[in-house]
Amino acid sequence: GQQLNQSPQSMFIQEGEDVSMNCTSSSIFNTWLWYKQDPGEGPVLLIALYKAGELTSNGRLTAQFGITRKDSFLNISASIPSDVGIYFCAGQRTSYDKVIFGPGTSLSVIP
Amino acid sequence: SAVISQKPSRDICQRGTSLTIQCQVDSQVTMMFWYRQQPGQSLTLIATANQGSEATYESGFVIDKFPISRPNLTFSTLTVSNMSPEDSSIYLCSVAGDKSVLTFGAGSRLTVL
Repeated sequence: GQQLNQSPQSMFIQEGEDVSMNCTSSSIFNTWLWYKQDPGEGPVLLIALYKAGELTSNGRLTAQFGITRKDSFLNISASIPSDVGIYFCAGQRTSYDKVIFGPGTSLSVIP
Repeated sequence: SAVISQKPSRDICQRGTSLTIQCQVDSQVTMMFWYRQQPGQSLTLIATANQGSEATYESGFVIDKFPISRPNLTFSTLTVSNMSPEDSSIYLCSVAGDKSVLTFGAGSRLTVL
């Protein structure tokens, strides 16, 4: 079935550093979503992408919809302690398909 | 975006028992989704619940184990039946907004002893 891969699986970074993570698929997706999950909470949407090549920012976060439509990237600039959490990518092939989630990237920020 | 409330937020249950999780949305929605998140894992869709019809289950999930009700456009329940320790997970309710964006409740953390 459809599957998303995320890398890295986990990251330990110093406060103030920039972070990059990515999500890949063997299938083409029309929608890419990036979520963050804090402990004890449900995932919260960070950025939604709908067009190949699209680059979208939300504060210190920037995400891109890959040109091949098989990948997406999330960058976090100048990390802060509250960036700690698990970041999930999610994709949808068409508007009629279910949204599937990647395995997540766990981010730890060292003050 | 919609605000979703789930109850209970967490529970500890004995094996062989059943637990019903409630999901309340602050607005009317056509489809509601139930996800399972096993410890340290990603989110897996259990089923899609439409008001007035039977839920649609994903491969690996069956109605006898996870019966779902959807009595109106703002409410749904998921029951985890005849629980075993392998059912220990976070169960998440979600709804779809504009452009496929899913909004999630805080989840119900279930531990089965």
